[in-house]
Amino acid sequence: EVQLVQSGAEVKKPGESLKISCKGSGYSFSNYWIGWVRQMPGKGLEWMAIIYPGDSDTRYSPSFQGQVTISADKSISTAYLQWSSLKASDTAMYYCARFGSGNYYGSAGYWGQGTLVTVSS
Amino acid sequence: EIVLTQSPGTLSLSPGERATLSCRASQSVGSSYLAWYQQKPGQAPRLLIYGASIRATGIPDRFSGSGSGTDFTLTISRLEPEDFAVYYCQQYGSSPPITFGQGTRLEMK
Repeated sequence: EVQLVQSGAEVKKPGESLKISCKGSGYSFSNYWIGWVRQMPGKGLEWMAIIYPGDSDTRYSPSFQGQVTISADKSISTAYLQWSSLKASDTAMYYCARFGSGNYYGSAGYWGQGTLVTVSS
Repeated sequence: EIVLTQSPGTLSLSPGERATLSCRASQSVGSSYLAWYQQKPGQAPRLLIYGASIRATGIPDRFSGSGSGTDFTLTISRLEPEDFAVYYCQQYGSSPPITFGQGTRLEMK
């Protein structure tokens, strides 16, 4: 059974750093794109970034380029999303999702449960 | 960058009725790389349709997708109470590799 399990909710102050995680199981982690999707309170889905764990090839949405960093450690089947300096506007639910394979970005057939990040002074 | 525009923003219907949701792309979506998702409050999105018209595993056949190029449609033939949710389209064919529409809220009349 394919599963994506995300790290728990975080409460941070503006300016702090943060790294959240997404652990995959039940499939060959290296061979599928893993992406992060933001959902601000009461708003829609926004794709942020995607990584291919097999070779760490990454793509960023223009809206999030330079704002976050996506990474993955295929040895422990885990993808990460990190911020170096959080802002209040980063308050949102963050989902990881498994997309396609190889040259095919694909649709997201599997999703994590979400990580709620709250940034407040 | 491909922009996806969904309409209507909100659709009010009754159980048993037919729902038609639209997703229009600002430029052609290659190879019909278009997916639809359903999201209920407090839950992660669920994949319904990929490749514009292929139902994902376990999705009831009252859900169907159609379209190509720039115009795509999700149809729910007879609404069940559990179908009232927010629906998103997503393209995965062009750079940037992934974009979502802004969503259509399907509410019970």
